[in-house]
Amino acid sequence: RKEVEQDPGPFNVPEGATVAFNCTYSNSASQSFFWYRQDCRKEPKLLMSVYSSGNEDGRFTAQLNRASQYISLLIRDSKLSDSATYLCVVNHVDTGNQFYFGTGTSLTVIP
Amino acid sequence: EAGVVQSPRYKIIEKKQPVAFWCNPISGHNTLYWYRQNLGQGPELLIRYENEEAVDDSQLPKDRFSAERLKGVDSTLKIQPAELGDSAVYLCASSLSGTSPTDTQYFGPGTRLTVL
Repeated sequence: RKEVEQDPGPFNVPEGATVAFNCTYSNSASQSFFWYRQDCRKEPKLLMSVYSSGNEDGRFTAQLNRASQYISLLIRDSKLSDSATYLCVVNHVDTGNQFYFGTGTSLTVIP
Repeated sequence: EAGVVQSPRYKIIEKKQPVAFWCNPISGHNTLYWYRQNLGQGPELLIRYENEEAVDDSQLPKDRFSAERLKGVDSTLKIQPAELGDSAVYLCASSLSGTSPTDTQYFGPGTRLTVL
């Protein structure tokens, strides 16, 4: 079983729509969680860290459910500029900083 | 503040040739990572350094790949000889420390390797 699993999509949504991505992780000892954004032919860039209480940054909301071992990312009022691949990342700090990446979910926002 | 620097950005070589990639992490970042990313996949760790010590190289194909971080700052990843399946983007990342749960990785622009 993969450490981190994501639906690869693609998700094609109209501008202004709300879209949600889920990600599941296999290791219950995972301690830190992140969403990265990766544009085509670019490097991943940190979008949000995911805190246990959930957190919001403008149109983006991240949630963590430790009991079910999944992380979600909600994007409200989608913009054309949100088109990218969204990578879910988990970290096992107790065995050193081991970051595990999902395969990414592709989002295209359509005019 | 300068980000993670990598060079070259692109490299095209024939199979069986050697190739080397260079990375300079963000100043003050003790932890350095080399990842390989294939098309449509997430980055996969090759090796992780804490200062000059390689603390996780379990996924590094040691028969042909080698890496070094001699002074605990910049790092070089080498492939010798390269195979067709090595075509990928090689990403370098750095983070402040290797032990904090809030540690965040920052990526360089990557080196896109094509092996013909």
